Amino acid sequence: KNEVEQSPQNLTAQEGEFITINCSYSVGISALHWLQQHPGGGIVSLFMLSSGKKKHGRLIATINIQEKHSSLHITASHPRDSAVYICAVNRGTQFYFGTGTSLTVIP
Amino acid sequence: NAGVTQTPKFQVLKTGQSMTLQCAQDMNHNSMYWYRQDPGMGLRLIYYSASEGTTDKGEVPNGYNVSRLNKREFSLRLESAAPSQTSVYFCASTAGYAEAFFGQGTRLTVV
Repeated sequence: KNEVEQSPQNLTAQEGEFITINCSYSVGISALHWLQQHPGGGIVSLFMLSSGKKKHGRLIATINIQEKHSSLHITASHPRDSAVYICAVNRGTQFYFGTGTSLTVIP
Repeated sequence: NAGVTQTPKFQVLKTGQSMTLQCAQDMNHNSMYWYRQDPGMGLRLIYYSASEGTTDKGEVPNGYNVSRLNKREFSLRLESAAPSQTSVYFCASTAGYAEAFFGQGTRLTVV
């Protein structure tokens, strides 16, 4: 069983839609990370959370420590948001990764 | 630019050949990692180094060796490449309980 589970695995949205990607984890963590990977590209860190909520532009990340759950929201989605979004948690210096959510935003 | 630099970006090897993937970071991070990414699977840890001079096996170390040359550099060596090692490899670094920075990846094909 993977320590980090994401849903959905694949997501297609129309441009402008509000998008939510969910992440659940089963281990105690130091922090939770949301990462973005464009096709054929590298991995970029979007957020690191240990509690509450963070916002950066059209992206919002929330975490509920008690429920061991996090969500990544994208408001007013755009085709350039098309990418794989990866949830990861770290315990000390070790990271555990979800398998990613592949998002396609259609114009 | 600050960050993690990983070379090469692409490589094709024949079965049995050897190669070294290079990784360097200029953020003075203690912890460095090598991961492999395969379709349908999350990033899997090959080796990590918590500090200069120390290395530890991760989830999938077989067929690989690493060297933490100094605080900046962490290399991954394939002594005798096998088709099962066809993958995308990522180097990462972190200052500990902080954001992780990733290299651009190495797309390796073993034929």
